[in-house]
Amino acid sequence: KNEVEQSPQNLTAQEGEFITINCSYSVGISALHWLQQHPGGGIVSLFMLSSGKKKHGRLIATINIQEKHSSLHITASHPRDSAVYICAVPRYGQNFVFGPGTRLSVLP
Amino acid sequence: NAGVTQTPKFQVLKTGQSMTLQCAQDMNHNSMYWYRQDPGMGLRLIYYSASEGTTDKGEVPNGYNVSRLNKREFSLRLESAAPSQTSVYFCASEIGESGNTIYFGEGSWLTVV
Repeated sequence: KNEVEQSPQNLTAQEGEFITINCSYSVGISALHWLQQHPGGGIVSLFMLSSGKKKHGRLIATINIQEKHSSLHITASHPRDSAVYICAVPRYGQNFVFGPGTRLSVLP
Repeated sequence: NAGVTQTPKFQVLKTGQSMTLQCAQDMNHNSMYWYRQDPGMGLRLIYYSASEGTTDKGEVPNGYNVSRLNKREFSLRLESAAPSQTSVYFCASEIGESGNTIYFGEGSWLTVV
């Protein structure tokens, strides 16, 4: 069993739809990160959260420490949201364990 | 403010050739990392450096060496490239305290033929 799992692996949505990507982890963590990787591009950090909820524009991230689960929501999705979304948790306080990523395609 | 800069962006090598991937950050971060990303797999840690002068093996270190030249720079060397090292390589850095934002370079696409 992988230490960090994501679902779904692939997701296709129509523009305007509400999207949810899930992340479950088995390691103890201090904070969980959500990353975004555009096709052929680099990786950027979207959120870092250790409790509750964070919101940035149309993106909302939540975490439930007791259940070891986090979700990334995208409201009013747009084709430019098409990317791979990766959750990552620190291990031993220094390096990270990454989920396999969720590939999102938003169709116009 | 450039963030994390890695070079080259693309490289094709023949089996057995050597090369060095360069990485530099201008954020005064203590921790730096080299990852590889392969289709269908998550990012895997090759080596990391928690501070200047220290390096440690990650999950997949075989076939690689690293140098933390100074606080800014962390290079990854392939001494004798193999086709299994065809991958996308990412350098990353963070300040070094648990729970801080991690910053990635743009990636280096390496093909070994």
